[in-house]
Parts: sequence; C-alpha cells; structure tokens
Amino acid sequence: GAVVSQHPSWVICKSGTSVKIECRSLDFQATTMFWYRQFPKQSLMLMATSNEGSKATYEQGVEKDKFLINHASLTLSTLTVTSAHPEDSSFYICSARDSMLNSPLHFGNGTRLTVT
Amino acid sequence: SQQGEEDPQALSIQEGENATMNCSYKTSINNLQWYRQNSGRGLVHLILIRSNEREKHSGRLRVTLDTSKKSSSLLITASRAADTASYFCATDEGNTGKLIFGQGTTLQVKP
Repeated sequence: GAVVSQHPSWVICKSGTSVKIECRSLDFQATTMFWYRQFPKQSLMLMATSNEGSKATYEQGVEKDKFLINHASLTLSTLTVTSAHPEDSSFYICSARDSMLNSPLHFGNGTRLTVT
Repeated sequence: SQQGEEDPQALSIQEGENATMNCSYKTSINNLQWYRQNSGRGLVHLILIRSNEREKHSGRLRVTLDTSKKSSSLLITASRAADTASYFCATDEGNTGKLIFGQGTTLQVKP
C-alpha cells in the first residue's frame, strides 16, 4: 500500500531557531500533500495544502511566513517552522493521496516538535 | 476549522463488547472517512463511505451514514484490547481534497 514517510519523528530545538520537517511519498506521486497540527488530546487541525510546483494554500489563522512549505517534487514536501517559539511545540503530521478525490489520505507517523 | 462533533469523547469497554462512536458534520460532503490513531503516531485509514451510501462493512467495522441528519456512526464489534486508540471521522470538503477532522473518540478496551 501507499506509504508516507515523515522525518524526523521528534526534534528538540531552542527558541529562535528553525526546524525543517520532511514528508515523502515512497511509492506514489503526490501532487498535493496536507500538513496538520495536533495538540495533546485534541484533533488534527489542517494548516495548509501543499501543491507541487506552486505556492501552498494556508488555512485561516496560519502564518505563512512562520510555517514555510515547499513542495519541489512529486514525492517531497517540507514544512519549516521558522523562529520557533515554545508555543510552536506540537505534533505535526503530513498526509497525501495517491489518487484523486474520494480516496483516503495516507499519513506519515508525525513529528513531535519541542521548543525550549 | 473543525467540521463537527464526535461523541462520546471517551469510551471504556470490556474486551468482547461492541463500541459505537458517532460523528456529526455541518456541510455537504463527498464522502466521510474514519481513521484510527494510536498514541503519538500517525493516522491509519479504516473505512470510507461515499455520500450516496448508507452503510458499509469492513471486517469487524460497520459504518453508517445519514446525510439527512449529517451524521455517521462507527461500530466495532467484538472489541479487542488492541483496538484501544483514538478514532476520528473526517469529511471530504468539496473539490479541494481537504479532509476536516472531528474531535475524536478515545476508546479504551480492557482485557
């Protein structure tokens, strides 16, 4: 089945630094990937839709200059948390489809970000 | 944005019992999907039901969809301890392909 690989699985960084999270579709091409954020014991909040070769579409309230998304190839999207603050600490999960609408999303295993 | 509500928020049952989780949503949908999440992990797709379907089965899972009430239910029969996880419904929003998740139900199955 379709596999999405997310790296790193966890990262600890200091305030003010930037962190890059990678999301790869291993056995399929993904023109669109989705980035979610999840706080403890809460649901997933969609942050942005990553489109290959074009700018990402951000959800309302998500700062595009803080959460930089790059989707340079059909198998790789990256999320960079810039100038991280402790309130950015969260679980970030990427997902992708291997076909068009009416098909399930395949999720990475998530990245636990802790900003100290 | 959140699409809707799930209930109960938490459910604790004994192994062998059935578990029922409900999900309500607000807008028109193409399909509704159920996912499972083990603690600290990504989500695993369980089942997808299209807007023109009313019921679907997959192994011990049974999903119903009532578009007139904008609600869905997930039934897990003969539960096992390994079913312990959080379960989320998600609706496919329009032509964007975005999935919007419900609040989730945390299920604990006691051995």
